[in-house]
Amino acid sequence: QKEVEQDPGPLSVPEGAIVSLNCTYSNSAFQYFMWYRQYSRKGPELLMYTYSSGNKEDGRFTAQVDKSSKYISLFIRDSQPSDSATYLCAMNVGRGNNRLAFGKGNQVVVIP
Amino acid sequence: NAGVTQTPKFRILKIGQSMTLQCAQDMNHNYMYWYRQDPGMGLKLIYYSVGAGITDKGEVPNGYNVSRSTTEDFPLRLELAAPSQTSVYFCASGGAGETQYFGPGTRLLVL
Repeated sequence: QKEVEQDPGPLSVPEGAIVSLNCTYSNSAFQYFMWYRQYSRKGPELLMYTYSSGNKEDGRFTAQVDKSSKYISLFIRDSQPSDSATYLCAMNVGRGNNRLAFGKGNQVVVIP
Repeated sequence: NAGVTQTPKFRILKIGQSMTLQCAQDMNHNYMYWYRQDPGMGLKLIYYSVGAGITDKGEVPNGYNVSRSTTEDFPLRLELAAPSQTSVYFCASGGAGETQYFGPGTRLLVL
């Protein structure tokens, strides 16, 4: 079983729709959860960062973590064509161990 | 702050040639990483460093070498390039927190 599973998509949505992305993981020691956004031919950029279970909101973006189910989600409200990118989930155990376990990434296309 | 910088942006190598991919960061991060990204395969860790003079292997270290003589720089060396090393290479750095910040990448084609 892979440490982090992420459905690669692609996912096409009309502009203004809600985009829902998720990852599952197997290591119950993971405590820090991140979402990176990667535009075509660019490096990943940190989008959201959460610790332990709960929700975090930043503008149109909401990250959710459910540690009991080993499941994390990213929601994008009022999606824009500029949100078209690949979204990668990442996580680690922290406590000085900064190695990240990544999902394979989910390509999102927002159609104007 | 320039963040994480990588050179070159793109390179074509012939089989058997060697090259060094450069990575520098100006955030005073102790942790630095090299990844490769192949289509549909996600990011795979090649090598990482927890500080100057300290390096360790990641998931896919074969065919690569690294050194870390300063906090700022973390070059990746390819010896005897092979077609299987055609990929996009990303360098990343991180501080005492748990996040990593990525450079823009180097696209390498081995023919």
